[in-house]
Amino acid sequence: GAVVSQHPSRVICKSGTSVKIECRSLDFQATTMFWYRQFPKQSLMLMATSNEGSKATYEQGVEKDKFLINHASLTLSTLTVTSAHPEDSSFYICSARVGGGYTFGSGTRLTVV
Amino acid sequence: EDQVTQSPEALRLQEGESSSLNCSYTVSGLRGLFWYRQDPGKGPEFLFTLYSAGEEKEKERLKATLTKKESFLHITAPKPEDSATYLCAVQAASGAGSYQLTFGKGTKLSVIP
Repeated sequence: GAVVSQHPSRVICKSGTSVKIECRSLDFQATTMFWYRQFPKQSLMLMATSNEGSKATYEQGVEKDKFLINHASLTLSTLTVTSAHPEDSSFYICSARVGGGYTFGSGTRLTVV
Repeated sequence: EDQVTQSPEALRLQEGESSSLNCSYTVSGLRGLFWYRQDPGKGPEFLFTLYSAGEEKEKERLKATLTKKESFLHITAPKPEDSATYLCAVQAASGAGSYQLTFGKGTKLSVIP
C-alpha cells in the first residue's frame, strides 16, 4: 500500500529556533499533500494544502510566514516551523491523496522549550 | 461549514462486549465518509470509506454503516488490541476545499481484559 514516511517522529527545540518536518511518499507520487495539527483530545485541524510546484493554500488563522511549506517534488513535502514558541508545541501530521483515499504519516511530536 | 460530531468521547468496554460508535455529520454534499484508527503518538490508520447512504463495510470485528446524517462503527466482541481512538472524517463533494477532510474529535475506546 501507499506509504508516507514522516520525520522526525519527535523533536525538542528551543524557543526562537526553527524546525523542519519532512514527509516523503515512498511508493507513489503525491501531487497534493495536507498538513494537520492535533492538540491533545482535539481533532486533526487542517493547516494547509500544498500542491507540487505551487504555493501552499493556508487555512484561516494559520500564519503562512510562520509555517513554511515547500512541495518542490512529487515525493517530498516539508513543513518548517519558524521562530517556534511554546504554543507551537503540538502533534503535526502530513497526509497525501492516493487514489480515492488518503494516507497519513506517522506524525511529529514537537515540543518547544 | 462542514461539521463532524463523534460520540461518545470515550468508551470503556469489557473484552467481548459489543458496542457502537457514532459519527454525525453536516456536509454540503458528501463525497465520502472515512473511518480511521489512531494509536497514541501515531498517525491515523485507514479503516473504511463509505460513499452513499445504506452502504456497509466490514473488516474483522468492525463494521461501518452510513445514513444521510450519520455513520456508525460497530465493534463486535472487541479485544484489548482494539483499544485506540477512532476518528471519523468527511469529504465534501464540491467547492474549493473538496479534497479536504473535516475530522471529528474522535472516540477513545478502551477494551478491558
